Amino acid sequence: QQQVKQSPQSLIVQKGGISIINCAYENTAFDYFPWYQQFPGKGPALLIAIRPDVSEKKEGRFTISFNKSAKQFSLHIMDSQPGDSATYFCAASLYNQGGKLIFGQGTELSVKP
Amino acid sequence: DGGITQSPKYLFRKEGQNVTLSCEQNLNHDAMYWYRQDPGQGLRLIYYSQIVNDFQKGDIAEGYSVSREKKESFPLTVTSAQKNPTAFYLCASTLETTNTEAFFGQGTRLTVV
Repeated sequence: QQQVKQSPQSLIVQKGGISIINCAYENTAFDYFPWYQQFPGKGPALLIAIRPDVSEKKEGRFTISFNKSAKQFSLHIMDSQPGDSATYFCAASLYNQGGKLIFGQGTELSVKP
Repeated sequence: DGGITQSPKYLFRKEGQNVTLSCEQNLNHDAMYWYRQDPGQGLRLIYYSQIVNDFQKGDIAEGYSVSREKKESFPLTVTSAQKNPTAFYLCASTLETTNTEAFFGQGTRLTVV
């Protein structure tokens, strides 16, 4: 019940296209859903995060869509750029356990010029 | 610059040896965490500490030990009891234990030779 399932495992998108990564969770007590971006050999960095009281959050080209009833959330990268090529992780956590994150398996995104 | 410093970046260990990975933060964060990352998998929590002189096991604590004698330091020891220690190890911290942004270090890649 603590799992977060992420898909696809890898994604190839043309420059200017939309990248979509999906995550599903089981524990309805999760109340914080961040997305992290990781470049090779580096630590992950927070990209955007959402709480379940909103259905969508947008920051620049990055949007999280959240469907509480379906227990799913997704990351949309608009106008994808080669510099967006990285591994993306969704995660979830419980209240008062902020850094104790449950991570998805990761999606390796490659944006072709 | 504020942040999390992990050292060394690369570490080689012979089978049967214990090794200690360093993690130092100057963010004045209360909570610190150790995650393990394997290829094609998400990050998994090894240990976490919410306050000095206290720490809790995560999902994969077997074969690892930690200490938290100072607020800014959270070293991880990989013992000889860890059956498959080759991995990328990431240290993180959060300001509080509630749902706040987790900041990650640049990681230590441990290889058993």
